[in-house]
Parts: sequence; structure tokens; C-alpha cells
Amino acid sequence: SAVISQKPSRDICQRGTSLTIQCQVDSQVTMMFWYRQQPGQSLTLIATANQGSEATYESGFVIDKFPISRPNLTFSTLTVSNMSPEDSSIYLCSVGEGQPQHFGDGTRLSIL
Amino acid sequence: KQEVTQIPAALSVPEGENLVLNCSFTDSAIYNLQWFRQDHGKGLTSLLLIQSSQREQTSGRLNASLDKSSGRSTLYIAASQPGDSATYLCAVTHNNNDMRFGAGTRLTVKP
Repeated sequence: SAVISQKPSRDICQRGTSLTIQCQVDSQVTMMFWYRQQPGQSLTLIATANQGSEATYESGFVIDKFPISRPNLTFSTLTVSNMSPEDSSIYLCSVGEGQPQHFGDGTRLSIL
Repeated sequence: KQEVTQIPAALSVPEGENLVLNCSFTDSAIYNLQWFRQDHGKGLTSLLLIQSSQREQTSGRLNASLDKSSGRSTLYIAASQPGDSATYLCAVTHNNNDMRFGAGTRLTVKP
């Protein structure tokens, strides 16, 4: 099974700033997924990142707020831009294209 | 739109009990169903994956069943241990890799 490393594991940020989260996989994968888990809630898909094409965003998420990069088949970044307290969540990346899905340990983000 | 519901939301049992967690989904046209474990503040660990053509999967003390036509899955945990305390999430995947999660069941196993 794929091993997924996320950085940072946690951060505390000031309102209005931006943070980039990195996701590294130990094998080449076509699709990578970014999820958000707000406090006390389940996971919500933010976007799907395919190498070599624009990320596909789910309803309620936009590229200006959550820009994603996918420069190669083992790496992706998610940026949370112009942060507000409502962005305080755990952000997780995953791979697996359904067979089965594997997740990183997540990035716990708190905005003051 | 797929809706995934997990019952109960929380469960507390004494050590050694057998227990069942329930998951239901509204759209039966799924590709597979997966059960995950999430420890507090951590990422997800995959427990069991059931393909749409399968009825159940087993791993150690865990057994997951799938009744696709009725939109239900159960996760059975035998002889529960304090180390089983975590939130258990079920998720269904469609052919387009669209994965939808339930809100989870928070399990506490008391020594």
C-alpha cells in the first residue's frame, strides 16, 4: 500500500495569511485527492488533482481559495489562501483511485 | 446526490463485547465501500474494502458486510478491546472515484 507523507502536520496561522500543505507519495499515482475535515465533522472532498491537468474542484470550493499544484506523479500541494477562522480544519490528501483509498496523517490547521 | 449515514453516532461498550456499526447509503450504484478508522486528530487508516460484487470482507476481529441493493453495510467488531477506541468511518465510491463519507461512529471501549 502507498505511504503518504504530509507536511506540516500542524500549524497555527494568522488571519489573512496563506499556507501551503505538501503531500508526498512513495509511488507514482495518477490521481491525488484533497479533503477537508472540519471540527467534529466527516471528510469533504475539496478537489481531485491529476498530473498534467488542472485540478477538478467540488461544489463550494474554488481555485482562488484552494490552489493546487501537481507537478509530478508523486507530489501535490494544496494552498489555503487568505485564511479565516472558518478554515480551521484538518486537511488530508489521499491516493488510491478507489482500490483502496489511503490517506496521509493530515495537517491540522488553526487560524487565529 | 449520495447521502451516507452512520448509526449510532457514538457508542460506549465494556471491553470484550461484540458490536455492530451501521452504514447506509442512498444511491446503490456504488463501485465499492470502504471502512476506515480515525484516531483522534489523526489521518484515516483503511480497515476493509468491499467491492460492489462482494458480500463481505474479514480481517482479524473485523467483518464488514455489504447489501448493495438495500444500501447497507455493517462493520462487526468481535471481542472489543480498549485499543479499538476510535472513530469509524464508512465511505462509498462511485466509478468516477467520487468518494462520499459518513459522519462516523465514535467508539469507546472501556477497560
